Amino acid sequence: EPEVTQTPSHQVTQMGQEVILRCVPISNHLYFYWYRQILGQKVEFLVSFYNNEISEKSEIFDDQFSVERPDGSNFTLKIRSTKLEDSAMYFCASSAQGGSSYNEQFFGPGTRLTVL
Amino acid sequence: KQEVTQIPAALSVPEGENLVLNCSFTDSAIYNLQWFRQDPGKGLTSLLLIQSSQREQTSGRLNASLDKSSGRSTLYIAASQPGDSATYLCAVRKFTGANSKLTFGKGITLSVRP
Repeated sequence: EPEVTQTPSHQVTQMGQEVILRCVPISNHLYFYWYRQILGQKVEFLVSFYNNEISEKSEIFDDQFSVERPDGSNFTLKIRSTKLEDSAMYFCASSAQGGSSYNEQFFGPGTRLTVL
Repeated sequence: KQEVTQIPAALSVPEGENLVLNCSFTDSAIYNLQWFRQDPGKGLTSLLLIQSSQREQTSGRLNASLDKSSGRSTLYIAASQPGDSATYLCAVRKFTGANSKLTFGKGITLSVRP
């Protein structure tokens, strides 16, 4: 069964460093999302992406964050200068357009980001 | 602003018991609602999706119902097993766009005792 994949599974970085989290969405999906979950907290929406542009973003998604679909398969989240409070599990998700799927979002296994 | 609440935060039941997990949301203008399972340190597995026009969905021992007007959904698990132990999250998508964001509850951590 097709699935969303994410790499790396765990990333450790120093405060102030740039990180890029990578995702490969399900191949025929058109809508892509990033969410994060701080330990013990709710899963929070960061950004959605469609047709090579951001369609929606939250207050969390400030100028330090950016997303890109550099080729036909990858979807990346870049954090320009990491802060301690960016430590969280980051989930990528994708959905198809309409039809019987009702735009169900499928999630990847997550990347655990630890900022020291 | 949509708020999703799941109470209680944790639940422990003996194996074989039928159980109901509750989810409530403040804004009834939703497009759909998804129930997810999350194992410790792992990703989110979609269990069931209910469109706003539907009343319930079933998959195996799981049944999810939706009462949009009262802002409630329940996930019914029949004949619980130790392998059902996990955190169960509900999430709603607002009506402004079919591909708009999901808003999550904090989840209910279920422990099924052998």
